[in-house]
Amino acid sequence: DIQMTQSPSSLSASVGDRVTITCRASQSISRYLNWYQQKPGKAPKLLIFDASSLQSGVPSRFSGSGSGTDFTLTISSLQPEDFATYYCQQSYITLRSFGQGTKLEIK
Amino acid sequence: EVQLVESGGGLVQPGRSLRLSCTTSGFTFGDYVMSWVRQAPGKGLEWVGFIRSKGYGGTTEYAASVKGRFTISRDDSKSIAYLQMNSLKTEDTAVYYCTREWVSSSFDFWGQGTLVTVSS
Repeated sequence: DIQMTQSPSSLSASVGDRVTITCRASQSISRYLNWYQQKPGKAPKLLIFDASSLQSGVPSRFSGSGSGTDFTLTISSLQPEDFATYYCQQSYITLRSFGQGTKLEIK
Repeated sequence: EVQLVESGGGLVQPGRSLRLSCTTSGFTFGDYVMSWVRQAPGKGLEWVGFIRSKGYGGTTEYAASVKGRFTISRDDSKSIAYLQMNSLKTEDTAVYYCTREWVSSSFDFWGQGTLVTVSS
């Protein structure tokens, strides 16, 4: 199995801030890394696939980068609607797995 | 419009069984891998398993935590995916989401989720 570790687990930031969330895989996963946003009581929403490809309809302030074992999700200028929990997910092997999540809170 | 709607959740005693359904519309169901993902109360996301399209054999894969107890199936004529859960444990309590796998096995569409509570 591949373990996915996100950091930090929680983060406080202000509207307009630039924020970066990190995801590390326990082994190389090439670029098979996806990012999701989840708001309370709602299903997750796909933001980024293939490490850096923006899903249709997702604002351009979201971006992803990385390959191998280390990946980042960056929000260039936080908006009020961005406060949520973010998850990374690997799809390199058949047995998919998610990171533990990063909760982004308002400072 | 793509839609996925889960049903069948509820309260069940440990050791009993439950079957969830994922009714879909708005896309050619038979062409896609369908996955189940769950989320225990206050916890993160956990992949449960998936079923490949018939074109890829319709075979299934499962997380170790549910392998041998859960079975995923599909009815392409009705555009429905199923999750049969047997020998349920209290730790299976979660919201269960049905998802569609897309490019690079990302999950591009999700249902609203259905809550399964395993308790005596």
